[in-house]
Amino acid sequence: GAGVSQSPSNKVTEKGKDVELRCDPISGHTALYWYRQRLGQGLEFLIYFQGNSAPDKSGLPSDRFSAERTGESVSTLTIQRTQQEDSAVYLCASSFGRRLQPQHFGDGTRLSIL
Amino acid sequence: DQQVKQNSPSLSVQEGRISILNCDYTNSMFDYFLWYKKYPAEGPTFLISISSIKDKNEDGRFTVFLNKSAKHLSLHIVPSQPGDSAVYFCAAPGGGSEKLVFGKGTKLTVNP
Repeated sequence: GAGVSQSPSNKVTEKGKDVELRCDPISGHTALYWYRQRLGQGLEFLIYFQGNSAPDKSGLPSDRFSAERTGESVSTLTIQRTQQEDSAVYLCASSFGRRLQPQHFGDGTRLSIL
Repeated sequence: DQQVKQNSPSLSVQEGRISILNCDYTNSMFDYFLWYKKYPAEGPTFLISISSIKDKNEDGRFTVFLNKSAKHLSLHIVPSQPGDSAVYFCAAPGGGSEKLVFGKGTKLTVNP
């Protein structure tokens, strides 16, 4: 498709389980970002990939969170041993990675931890 | 420490009137600002941006004004339409990697 695609759109899981979220960026976009939005809050940066450079992981809230990206395509965000405070909408964005180029977002994965 | 602040959680205007959404920032290193619009259950959609070398950028019904001395920007929508009802986020890239710092958003309701 033409836009950023995320799956699943919704995920409900029990506390303590691991979850994996997927993002397919726009073709040709070298930069890929993960954000999360908790209820009533703005978007928080999690991690950023740009080409073959080392990712910027400065936003990951704990070592339970990790992400990978294969080349300049699909990315997966993994949350291990989920906690209730992990409940949020996880949003992926991609861009050409150049200055002043806007990021384009997917519709997100709504994660609910019971 | 919130670097981008949107102090009005909500705004209600009549169709045809002007909507003014405000955003303040604290980091004087920010040199580019973006506005995103978000409908429920959808991702944010890029709306308009402004570089710090400008004080105004216009795109159709949308105009963004930047006051660097006050560290303040505003988004004007005129005339407002019911379809503009959404949450509007102000954002700026920070930290060198283009990662965006977002405000908490302002929910705009345009009444017919």
